[in-house]
Amino acid sequence: GDSVTQMEGPVTLSEEAFLTINCTYTATGYPSLFWYVQYPGEGLQLLLKATKADDKGSNKGFEATYRKETTSFHLEKGSVQVSDSAVYFCALRGYNNNDMRFGAGTRLTVKP
Amino acid sequence: EAQVTQNPRYLITVTGKKLTVTCSQNMNHEYMSWYRQDPGLGLRQIYYSMNVEATDKGDVPEGYKVSRKEKRNFPLILESPSPNQTSLYFCASRRGEYNSPLHFGNGTRLTVT
Repeated sequence: GDSVTQMEGPVTLSEEAFLTINCTYTATGYPSLFWYVQYPGEGLQLLLKATKADDKGSNKGFEATYRKETTSFHLEKGSVQVSDSAVYFCALRGYNNNDMRFGAGTRLTVKP
Repeated sequence: EAQVTQNPRYLITVTGKKLTVTCSQNMNHEYMSWYRQDPGLGLRQIYYSMNVEATDKGDVPEGYKVSRKEKRNFPLILESPSPNQTSLYFCASRRGEYNSPLHFGNGTRLTVT
């Protein structure tokens, strides 16, 4: 079945460092891909999404490109801030539209 | 304000004592779903509902029940909770259109002793 694998954390960076969180997927057909962010004590919020190959999703300085050839959707940010500290989840929705598959989550801590 | 509201936020109970976690959304969303979040496993879907009176099992439905009598409400029922149901639970909703994003509640942390 469909699945998502994302890099294990935790990840600790200094402010203004470059961030990459790797995400790869296995799916039938052409899934839609998502990144969600979870701040402490809150539910998940959509960060960005991409619905077809070569699409780039972006929001709040974060970017991810849907790479079908490598089945990847890596999250990047050029300069992280302390306020970016959170847990990040990669997810996919398959063709049947009823099932969202989530990765295990990657905890990011940004230090001043 | 558009939101998904879950109650309670925290719940401690004992094995076998029936409980209900409520979920309500004010966005007129057709689709609602329950997930549990466990360390190292991400979120796993328990049940989902495409619309009123239409519910279906997700990946981990055992030990849970749901109902969808009204569009806005989607309660999660544990008839006889067990310690392995100790987890963080999230309700989510979205429009029925393909690729609509999920909107999540703030979670319910359940401890079963």
